[in-house]
Amino acid sequence: DTEVTQTPKHLVMGMTNKKSLKCEQHMGHRAMYWYKQKAKKPPELMFVYSYEKLSINESVPSRFSPECPNSSLLNLHLHALQPEDSALYLCASSQEGRRQETQYFGPGTRLLVL
Amino acid sequence: GESVGLHLPTLSVQEGDNSIINCAYSNSASDYFIWYKQESGKGPQFIIDIRSNMDKRQGQRVTVLLNKTVKHLSLQIAATQPGDSAVYFCAENGGKAGGTSYGKLTFGQGTILTVHP
Repeated sequence: DTEVTQTPKHLVMGMTNKKSLKCEQHMGHRAMYWYKQKAKKPPELMFVYSYEKLSINESVPSRFSPECPNSSLLNLHLHALQPEDSALYLCASSQEGRRQETQYFGPGTRLLVL
Repeated sequence: GESVGLHLPTLSVQEGDNSIINCAYSNSASDYFIWYKQESGKGPQFIIDIRSNMDKRQGQRVTVLLNKTVKHLSLQIAATQPGDSAVYFCAENGGKAGGTSYGKLTFGQGTILTVHP
C-alpha cells in the first residue's frame, strides 16, 4: 500500500484564523515532507522530517509551523496566513529521508486564504 | 544554480501514438531521477525512477532514458491512452553536490500531455 492520506481536502480560512493540515501514512516510512504547489507550477519543498526530527526548513515563514507527533503523522499548523499562501499543500513520505528514495505523495489539501 | 527543466510545456497526441516527454537538468552530481504524473486535483503519482548507473529503465508502457553526457532524460509512453492525460514532472533527488545525504526533490516545470481519442 503506497497511500498517503491528507485532511481536509479543501480549506477556506481568513487571515486571522488558526487551522491545521493533517497527513498520515502507514507504509512504515520514517521521513515525511510538506510541499506547496501553486497553480501551473511544480511542487516546492517546505519541510522535511526524518525520524520525527525536522531536518530541512526551506526558509518558510513562521506562520507555517510543522509538527511530527510520530513517524506516521505530520501536521502543518497555519496562523495569520496571507492570500498569497493560497495553494495546494502536498504531503509526501519516503523510507528515511535520504538521497535516492522515492517519495510518495498524498492528494493534497487545497487551501484558500481570504 | 541547480535546476531541472523541460523542453516543451505542452504535448498533444492521438490515442495509440507514442509520447516522448523531455527533461534537462543542470546538476552534474544528480544521481537519481523520478517521473511523476499529476492529474487535475490530485497529488503527483510515482511513475518510474532511474539511477545514474543506468541509461534505460522500462516499466509497464513507460520507458525512461538517461543521457548523463548531455544531462537529459526522457519519458516514453507507449500506446498513449486518454487516461494518460496529465501533467508530467521530472524530479531529481540527489541532494546537494558534495554528498549531503538528504532527500530534497527538485522538480522540473512540467509538461501537459493531452491525449485525443
